[in-house]
Amino acid sequence: DTGVSQDPRHKITKRGQNVTFRCDPISEHNRLYWYRQTLGQGPEFLTYFQNEAQLEKSRLLSDRFSAERPKGSFSTLEIQRTEQGDSAMYLCASSLEGSYEQYFGPGTRLTVT
Amino acid sequence: GEDVEQSLFLSVREGDSSVINCTYTDSSSTYLYWYKQEPGAGLQLLTYIFSNMDMKQDQRLTVLLNKKDKHLSLRIADTQTGDSAIYFCAEMWYGGATNKLIFGTGTLLAVQP
Repeated sequence: DTGVSQDPRHKITKRGQNVTFRCDPISEHNRLYWYRQTLGQGPEFLTYFQNEAQLEKSRLLSDRFSAERPKGSFSTLEIQRTEQGDSAMYLCASSLEGSYEQYFGPGTRLTVT
Repeated sequence: GEDVEQSLFLSVREGDSSVINCTYTDSSSTYLYWYKQEPGAGLQLLTYIFSNMDMKQDQRLTVLLNKKDKHLSLRIADTQTGDSAIYFCAEMWYGGATNKLIFGTGTLLAVQP
């Protein structure tokens, strides 16, 4: 199966710690998205990469959040000084330029205690 | 503005048809989507429709689009217990270089045996 993969699937951390999540998109997909989903809500857009360029960041992405996609393949999302409000499912999606289909990974569930 | 609304819950009996409804606000949306999310999992793309169409059928799934009323529906024929999940409606939003998805809050479909 060559779908979108995310690692880790679950992360429990203490408030104030830093965490980093990884997303591997579908091979050859040059567009990569991060979304956040809180309990009982639909996913909300966080940021978008086309190849290695980060082209948009949502205002939801505070200064504590940073995302990278250094070689235009996998991406990382780092949260510094985590807060309880950061507890959510972090979803990654990818698509091919020219296609309107976004495919999602299984997500990373973050719990901040 | 960007807003997608869905009813929260639908219960049907196995073998019946299910109809999940959605309203959206961005009249410039060109693509509208239905995703399925099972407990603890990521989002599975079920189907999508281009705004110049009013209907799309794919096996047991039928999507109806009323662009005038900004209303989208998903009909699942012969609903099975394996269809129990949360269903998200989403519209594609274009802004600058980004084509992000705007999701509704999801409809929980419960299929009774």
